[in-house]
Amino acid sequence: GQQVMQIPQYQHVQEGEDFTTYCNSSTTLSNIQWYKQRPGGHPVFLIQLVKSGEVKKQKRLTFQFGEAKKNSSLHITATQTTDVGTYFCAGGGGSNYKLTFGKGTLLTVNP
Amino acid sequence: EAQVTQNPRYLITVTGKKLTVTCSQNMNHEYMSWYRQDPGLGLRQIYYSMNVEVTDKGDVPEGYKVSRKEKRNFPLILESPSPNQTSLYFCASSARASGGETQYFGPGTRLLVL
Repeated sequence: GQQVMQIPQYQHVQEGEDFTTYCNSSTTLSNIQWYKQRPGGHPVFLIQLVKSGEVKKQKRLTFQFGEAKKNSSLHITATQTTDVGTYFCAGGGGSNYKLTFGKGTLLTVNP
Repeated sequence: EAQVTQNPRYLITVTGKKLTVTCSQNMNHEYMSWYRQDPGLGLRQIYYSMNVEVTDKGDVPEGYKVSRKEKRNFPLILESPSPNQTSLYFCASSARASGGETQYFGPGTRLLVL
C-alpha cells in the first residue's frame, strides 16, 4: 500500500534558525496536506498542495510539492517559539480515498 | 461553532472491560475516521466511514469496532481492551470521502488500559 516517509523525526533549533521537514511517498500522490499538532493538542490543517511543482507560502512557512508529485517539503524561515509542535504531511491518492500520514517531525525551538 | 467532539477525553480502564469512545461532528460531514497516535508511529488509521452505514477497516483495525448509524456520530468500541490499546485516539471528519478534503480532528481521547 501507499507509504509516506517523513524526515527528520526530530529537529531542535535555536530561535531564528530555519527549519525544513521532508515527505516522500512510495507512489504518486493526487495531493498532499500538511498539519500541525501543538504539544497536547490535535492536528490542525495548514495547507493542501495539488499541482505538480506547486509552491505555497503562509507568512514564514513555504510548502512545496515535487514535480513528480511524490515528495513535498515544509520550510519555516526564522523559527519562533510559537512554531513548536509536530508537523505531519498526509498524502492522498490511495484506492480507498484515505489520507496516509507521515510519522511527523517534532520541532522544538530554543528561545 | 463547527467542531468534532470526543468523549471521554481521558479514560483509565482494565483489561477486558468493554468501552466506547464517542465522536460527534456538527458539520454534516460524510467521511469520518478514527486514528490512534503512538510515539514514533505517527497517526495510524483504525477505521473509517464514507457515509451512514458504510464503514471499512483502516491500517490497524484489530480489537476495534465501529458503527455509523447516524451521519453525525461515529463511536469507537473496544469490546475487550488490552494494554497494547493504550494510546491517544483521534476522531476526524471531512466533507466528503476524498483524499483531497481537509480533515477536522477532535480533541483526542487518552486511553490507559491496565
